[in-house]
Amino acid sequence: GESVGLHLPTLSVQEGDNSIINCAYSNSASDYFIWYKQESGKGPQFIIDIRSNMDKRQGQRVTVLLNKTVKHLSLQIAATQPGDSAVYFCAENINFGNEKLTFGTGTRLTIIP
Amino acid sequence: DTGVSQDPRHKITKRGQNVTFRCDPISEHNRLYWYRQTLGQGPEFLTYFQNEAQLEKSRLLSDRFSAERPKGSFSTLEIQRTEQGDSAMYLCASSLALILAGQRELFFGEGSRLTVL
Repeated sequence: GESVGLHLPTLSVQEGDNSIINCAYSNSASDYFIWYKQESGKGPQFIIDIRSNMDKRQGQRVTVLLNKTVKHLSLQIAATQPGDSAVYFCAENINFGNEKLTFGTGTRLTIIP
Repeated sequence: DTGVSQDPRHKITKRGQNVTFRCDPISEHNRLYWYRQTLGQGPEFLTYFQNEAQLEKSRLLSDRFSAERPKGSFSTLEIQRTEQGDSAMYLCASSLALILAGQRELFFGEGSRLTVL
């Protein structure tokens, strides 16, 4: 049979609409979180980060929300564009003095023209 | 281009052969990380260096894998006696180690894709 790992969660959004990508993180001790965007054949690209002493942070067209109670992160992308089509990963870090990141399962976002 | 540079971008090899990947971090970044990413999965941590010292290794890094950063600048990741299960994208990332300043971002390269036949 096919590997479950080959089937990323997917989200299709009409161009111009807003999108919300969700992520459940694993470790309640994590205190720093990053969203990365990964296009096909490329390395992960930083989008936005948030520390655990915050519950919301905004960037250009992107907003990250953090709910520590349920260990949940979300990435909101406003007014989506074709260039937003990619796989999006959340990643967490525990402050043990390094930047080692643990990545979640990605979500494939497809923008429909 | 002053980003993280990886070479080669693609490598096809036969099972049992050795392969070596090189990573050049952003200059002045003193921490360097190796990750492995298989199809449909997020990157998984392999190992990291601070300057030339290898400070942590994952259990994923079997004894067929060895990483070095001899002068605290570029790093190499060697895989000996490759197996088909080693087929993956090998990603390198670097950081400035400014955690006390609140910076914990990792900057990733474009990766080296390995295919073992």
